[in-house]
Amino acid sequence: GEDVEQSLFLSVREGDSSVINCTYTDSSSTYLYWYKQEPGAGLQLLTYIFSNMDMKQDQRLTVLLNKKDKHLSLRIADTQTGDSAIYFCAEILSGAGSYQLTFGKGTKLSVIP
Amino acid sequence: EAGVTQFPSHSVIEKGQTVTLRCDPISGHDNLYWYRRVMGKEIKFLLHFVKESKQDESGMPNNRFLAERTGGTYSTLKVQPAELEDSGVYFCASSRAGTGGNEQFFGPGTRLTVL
Repeated sequence: GEDVEQSLFLSVREGDSSVINCTYTDSSSTYLYWYKQEPGAGLQLLTYIFSNMDMKQDQRLTVLLNKKDKHLSLRIADTQTGDSAIYFCAEILSGAGSYQLTFGKGTKLSVIP
Repeated sequence: EAGVTQFPSHSVIEKGQTVTLRCDPISGHDNLYWYRRVMGKEIKFLLHFVKESKQDESGMPNNRFLAERTGGTYSTLKVQPAELEDSGVYFCASSRAGTGGNEQFFGPGTRLTVL
């Protein structure tokens, strides 16, 4: 079956870079996503990458995809206290008409001032 | 545009009772999804509507759960009768039809506590 794995916690100092890692198992995944959940809020789509890409950059966010190793990472440059949240990695399962997302358990990022 | 909204934000019920959760998707979004996160585990897919039709309900745990989307607008998720293991956060999401990246926009969730 499918499985998405993430480390549960990450702590960084304000101004440093954060790297959140994720591994997935479905080699036929078409899209991979990063969602952010702030306390008491819903899931906010941060960015996504198509499986034929190996990198995507969007301002302070860089997504790297190693399809051979089924490894996805999210790098946040110049991490701020407002970046403290839970970050979820997710993949779309392939299948006719099926768009169900499979999530990891989430990585709680704590930013130390 | 207004985001996905869910009602109620919290619900506390006793085992055996019935609860109905409501989701209003972003206007014009044909795709509507239900997910839930139970006891700190992964967020799990429940089902997917395209307009009023159930496209994929493979994640529905059992027949105590009934989802509807009459008219293809808002959706309800009824749990009857509720069990202790149903406690968790129920998320709704929506996306446009034919979106290549299928960007799913999530609501804030309904926290359900079954006592």
